[in-house]
Amino acid sequence: GQQLNQSPQSMFIQEGEDVSMNCTSSSIFNTWLWYKQDPGEGPVLLIALYKAGELTSNGRLTAQFGITRKDSFLNISASIPSDVGIYFCAGLGAGGTSYGKLTFGQGTILTVHP
Amino acid sequence: EAQVTQNPRYLITVTGKKLTVTCSQNMNHEYMSWYRQDPGLGLRQIYYSMNVEVTDKGDVPEGYKVSRKEKRNFPLILESPSPNQTSLYFCASGWTGGTEAFFGQGTRLTVV
Repeated sequence: GQQLNQSPQSMFIQEGEDVSMNCTSSSIFNTWLWYKQDPGEGPVLLIALYKAGELTSNGRLTAQFGITRKDSFLNISASIPSDVGIYFCAGLGAGGTSYGKLTFGQGTILTVHP
Repeated sequence: EAQVTQNPRYLITVTGKKLTVTCSQNMNHEYMSWYRQDPGLGLRQIYYSMNVEVTDKGDVPEGYKVSRKEKRNFPLILESPSPNQTSLYFCASGWTGGTEAFFGQGTRLTVV
C-alpha cells in the first residue's frame, strides 16, 4: 500500500521554541491532514489541507500542502508544555483503488521542556 | 455532544473466540473507518466505508470483517482472533471524501 515517511520520529525542545515536522510520499494525495494524539486518547484533527500549495493556520499551527501533492509540513510556533503528544500526518488517496483510503505517517513524538 | 463511541474500551480474549467491537457516531457522517495502532507503525487503516452498504479494504484487512447496515454504526468483527491482532483499535468518522474529524476513544484488545 501507500506509505508516508514522517520525520523526525521524535523531538525534544524547550518551551518557546518553534517546531517543524514533515511528511513525504511516493504517491500523490488529494488531501493532507494533521492530527495530534494525547496519551490514552484518539487522534484529534488539527488542520486539513485540500489544495496543492495551500497554506493554512490554526492558532500557533501552520501547515502546507506541497505543490507536488506528495508532501506536507506542520509548524508549531512558540511551543508550550501542552503541545506534548504524538503528531501524525495523513494523506487521502487521490483516486482509483486509493480513493477514500487514508494513510498515516508513523508519527512524531514531541516533548516540550518547561 | 458530537462523538464517536466505541465499545468495549478494553478486551482480553482467547485465540479463536469470535468478537465484535462496536462503533457508533451521532453526527450523520457518511464516512467511517477502522484503524489499528501499533508501536512504531502509526495508524493503519483496516476497513473504511464511504456510505451505507459500501465498504472497502484498507491496508491491513486480513482477519477482520465489517458491516455498514446503518449510517451511524460500523462494527468491527474478528471471526477468529489471533495474538497478532493484539493492538489498539480506533474507529473514526467524517464527512464525504474521508476527512475524518472524529476518532473514538480506542479499544485495547489483547488476544492470548
